[in-house]
Amino acid sequence: GNSVTQMEGPVTLSEEAFLTINCTYTATGYPSLFWYVQYPGEGLQLLLKATKADDKGSNKGFEATYRKETTSFHLEKGSVQVSDSAVYFCALRGPYSGAGSYQLTFGKGTKLSVIP
Amino acid sequence: DAGVTQSPTHLIKTRGQQVTLRCSPKSGHDTVSWYQQALGQGPQFIFQYYEEEERQRGNFPDRFSGHQFPNYSSELNVNALLLGDSALYLCASSRRLAGHRDTQYFGPGTRLTVL
Repeated sequence: GNSVTQMEGPVTLSEEAFLTINCTYTATGYPSLFWYVQYPGEGLQLLLKATKADDKGSNKGFEATYRKETTSFHLEKGSVQVSDSAVYFCALRGPYSGAGSYQLTFGKGTKLSVIP
Repeated sequence: DAGVTQSPTHLIKTRGQQVTLRCSPKSGHDTVSWYQQALGQGPQFIFQYYEEEERQRGNFPDRFSGHQFPNYSSELNVNALLLGDSALYLCASSRRLAGHRDTQYFGPGTRLTVL
C-alpha cells in the first residue's frame, strides 16, 4: 500500500537558518505529493504540491521537488522565521485509477521550532 | 468566501456513548473526506463521500459511519465510543471533477475526548 516516511522531529533552528525536512514515499505509479502545515490548535493548511515527476512546488519561500528516481519530496526553505514554527506533514494521493486514488496518506509529521 | 467549517469545536463523551460531528464544505466543493488525527500523529483517512454515497473507506471499523446531505455537508457518526477514539477529527472538502481530483482543503477540526 501507499506510505510516507518523514524525518523524526522535533527540529529546532535559529531564525534565518536553512531548513530541510526529508520525506520519502512508497506508492505504485505516479502519485501526487503534498506538504501541509499545522499551526498550534489549528487544522491543516496546504503549503505546496506537485503532481508529476520533476515538478517543483513552491509557496511562501518553501520549495519541494518531486523526485521519482529517489521517491522523495523534501521540503526546503532558505531562511526560516519564528512564524514558521509549526508541524509539517508530507502526504501523497494515489494515482487516478489506483487504490487510494482520492484519499491522502500522511507521514507522522515533523515539528519545527524556530528561535529568535 | 467561507472555508471548511466544522462543529462542534470540542466535545467530551464517555465510553460507550455515541457522537455526531458535522462539516460544511468550502463553497463550490462537492466531496467531503474525514480524517482522524491522534495526538502526535499524522491524519488517518476514515472515508470519503461524494454524491451522498461513501466512495472510499480507510481501515476503520463499522462503528464509524457517515452521511452526506444534498447541500454537500456531511456528518461523521461514531458509536460505542472507546478511549482510543479520542483524537482531532478533520474534515476536508474538494471538487471531484470528471477526470480531475482537486486539492483537499481542511477545516479546523473537532477535538473529541472520550473519558
